Amino acid sequence: AQTVTQSQPEMSVQEAETVTLSCTYDTSENNYYLFWYKQPPSRQMILVIRQEAYKQQNATENRFSVNFQKAAKSFSLKISDSQLGDTAMYFCAFMKPPALGSARQLTFGSGTQLTVLP
Amino acid sequence: DTGVSQDPRHKITKRGQNVTFRCDPISEHNRLYWYRQTLGQGPEFLTYFQNEAQLEKSRLLSDRFSAERPKGSFSTLEIQRTEQGDSAMYLCASSFSVEKLFFGSGTQLSVL
Repeated sequence: AQTVTQSQPEMSVQEAETVTLSCTYDTSENNYYLFWYKQPPSRQMILVIRQEAYKQQNATENRFSVNFQKAAKSFSLKISDSQLGDTAMYFCAFMKPPALGSARQLTFGSGTQLTVLP
Repeated sequence: DTGVSQDPRHKITKRGQNVTFRCDPISEHNRLYWYRQTLGQGPEFLTYFQNEAQLEKSRLLSDRFSAERPKGSFSTLEIQRTEQGDSAMYLCASSFSVEKLFFGSGTQLSVL
């Protein structure tokens, strides 16, 4: 079974600064997907960034980038130029390619509450 | 694209009552998922539909939980004989691309 660990329950950062959220996972799979989701007070889970394990290049989406270390099973999220609207709970998630016709299940970590301070 | 819609946003019920939640996915999405999120935790997978077929339901928490997706459109999640431990947020998600899920804002259930 896969497990996802986020060891930082809470973090804070000053507006315009850079912050890194940590995530480690455990799997015996070779091909899989990793995600970071954001859950603001509105409760809607919003996809921030996605990484395919077979790609060595780290994914980037505007101010968001990841540091994917496959051998270490580490998947951290870097937020540059932090904005007040980035305040949210951030979840790291794992998805393994399923058998044909079965579910693509996301396994989530317990989350990191990020607060951006003015 | 109006997003994934869930109704109601909040539900308060007494222990032993039945509750039903509704999810309307994004219209062109053929895949629909239900997750449950308890306080301080990430969501956990419950069940999955591809069109109207429920392809995965082994993770439903007990036989008191059931889900349907008639005609491959909206879906309902029913909990019979609710217990206090059922209190949680129930999230629905839909997708067309297998890796990109769009989530709704959830239904918060409180069982008194």
